[in-house]
Amino acid sequence: SAVISQKPSRDICQRGTSLTIQCQVDSQVTMMFWYRQQPGQSLTLIATANQGSEATYESGFVIDKFPISRPNLTFSTLTVSNMSPEDSSIYLCSARTGDTGELFFGEGSRLTVL
Amino acid sequence: AQKITQTQPGMFVQEKEAVTLDCTYDTSDQSYGLFWYKQPSSGEMIFLIYQGSYDEQNATEGRYSLNFQKARKSANLVISASQLGDSAMYFCAMREGPGGNKLTFGTGTQLKVEL
Repeated sequence: SAVISQKPSRDICQRGTSLTIQCQVDSQVTMMFWYRQQPGQSLTLIATANQGSEATYESGFVIDKFPISRPNLTFSTLTVSNMSPEDSSIYLCSARTGDTGELFFGEGSRLTVL
Repeated sequence: AQKITQTQPGMFVQEKEAVTLDCTYDTSDQSYGLFWYKQPSSGEMIFLIYQGSYDEQNATEGRYSLNFQKARKSANLVISASQLGDSAMYFCAMREGPGGNKLTFGTGTQLKVEL
């Protein structure tokens, strides 16, 4: 298994500002992902964070709004840019270890945009 | 069509009883994986159990077992001897394809364990 730490765990942000969420894994992992969970909803994949190259975004998500970095095999960041109240969600980092397919999640970052 | 269907938005169970949370899925892939996660009110997603489509035996992890019925495309989670700490939202998810990375999640089931 992998232990995944996210910072911040929660934040209250003003409309129009940007916030960067950090994700640290305690071991090297093959794949890292970012998910969003809007209030009362299920999880939706935002993008796959690729080490050393641009992230792969899912339909409906764009780099300008959600820039992602992954400088090495254990760390990634997600920025939520120019926030609006609709961006109020839990953002979750996840990682896939090896070939077993198991996907582990961080504790999530709960953002509230006023 | 929904890829993952969880038909029980909420469930109640008495402490120490067993409970089954339903999950059906839809895929045309032969190789896929099924997951169950627990999400307490704090928001973190806790991995519970994994079943691969080619696994012949049902997966078990402690008090959790996955009742995998491939022909029916169902992957129900069974929690035995429920505890108060099991009260949480439970999500079923599927990963399609041998190299697939994306998880598709169901809408979740809110489980409440009562004394």
